[in-house]
Amino acid sequence: DSGVTQTPKHLITATGQRVTLRCSPRSGDLSVYWYQQSLDQGLQFLIQYYNGEERAKGNILERFSAQQFPDLHSELNLSSLELGDSALYFCASSAPWGADTQYFGPGTRLTVL
Amino acid sequence: AQTVTQSQPEMSVQEAETVTLSCTYDTSESDYYLFWYKQPPSRQMILVIRQEAYKQQNATENRFSVNFQKAAKSFSLKISDSQLGDAAMYFCAYRSVQGAQKLVFGQGTRLTINP
Repeated sequence: DSGVTQTPKHLITATGQRVTLRCSPRSGDLSVYWYQQSLDQGLQFLIQYYNGEERAKGNILERFSAQQFPDLHSELNLSSLELGDSALYFCASSAPWGADTQYFGPGTRLTVL
Repeated sequence: AQTVTQSQPEMSVQEAETVTLSCTYDTSESDYYLFWYKQPPSRQMILVIRQEAYKQQNATENRFSVNFQKAAKSFSLKISDSQLGDAAMYFCAYRSVQGAQKLVFGQGTRLTINP
């Protein structure tokens, strides 16, 4: 158990819908990262937040957005869902700025029908 | 941009034997971190081992060790005394020291352990 929690574990929805994935980092970790794992794209970085502020963006679609709240939990919002958005979404966290190791949550499996 | 390549999509090894998974990377940076993560059927991403580029000594964690060749930009993972629980996808990852702290992953190697 990495100490990073993600809810829900599984999500099944229809095209065009909007969903919210939630992540709670390890106690004391200020950085949260979101990654997408799909069969065709592999593991890709989406976005990073540090202590409530966006710090880096990767291959995140405009239909996707994220935020980190004062209690440091983070949410990833996916809207206008398409079949190709079906993937495993991971959240990871790391200790104060500069810490090199990221610890991953169990992931949320999103299926878009 | 940095890239990570794992040229072995699948590997298999007999239980109790030793296996080496390959990873190469491309970067113009001189300082960075390298990682191996394991993803068992549960899909959880588990850190196996990490290496700082400025350290010449290869990292070791119990049965897991790396062969870090900075000049060749190679970072292989050796698993000794393979166990059934080692069966998983293994991902090599790169992280810059400066700038973006994202992990850049390779495509993964699926390791099968034969009893």
